[in-house]
Amino acid sequence: EAQVTQNPRYLITVTGKKLTVTCSQNMNHEYMSWYRQDPGLGLRQIYYSMNVEVTDKGDVPEGYKVSRKEKRNFPLILESPSPNQTSLYFCASSSQADTQYFGPGTRLTVL
Amino acid sequence: RKEVEQDPGPFNVPEGATVAFNCTYSNSASQSFFWYRQDCRKEPKLLMSVYSSGNEDGRFTAQLNRASQYISLLIRDSKLSDSATYLCVVSFSGSARQLTFGSGTQLTVLP
Repeated sequence: EAQVTQNPRYLITVTGKKLTVTCSQNMNHEYMSWYRQDPGLGLRQIYYSMNVEVTDKGDVPEGYKVSRKEKRNFPLILESPSPNQTSLYFCASSSQADTQYFGPGTRLTVL
Repeated sequence: RKEVEQDPGPFNVPEGATVAFNCTYSNSASQSFFWYRQDCRKEPKLLMSVYSSGNEDGRFTAQLNRASQYISLLIRDSKLSDSATYLCVVSFSGSARQLTFGSGTQLTVLP
């Protein structure tokens, strides 16, 4: 089954404790991206990747890092999480001209 | 001013009603337009693309007005299962991969 998976689905952590949210897709898509969704603000893009070893900032990259060492994986790293990074995070992937397919989301709470 | 604006609702309509959502975008160079559907706490999924000539998919009709920079979605004969948040989405690059999302319009269809 074609899908985008994210782990963990739910995470409660404390300020400053490094964390990684994994994202994996099995559709051989070149393009992957990360979004955060906050009430009243819609989905905002954090980072995107056009292909392996090619990443770029989206609209709200501050406080986040990403890597794309393999085509299927695109982890999101929070080196020192802060409470304003409490949000619902979605990973997405697509081929060149296709629609974006979203993962199930990761709900992060930073205390 | 947000790049993509939607009436957040909520729209509460009886089953069988016709309901319309509008969305405006600020960048006149925008090239591709979409409606996504998001169920509560789930990932967004593509509902339909929006073409200049307008397009229909069953009970759903999408319209684009480039001169006025707005997009509409019409749902006829509403079903309980149509209850969701509808996201207006615009691509400024023309690529389905690089999207800007509106904050969504919440629809509840009542029995």
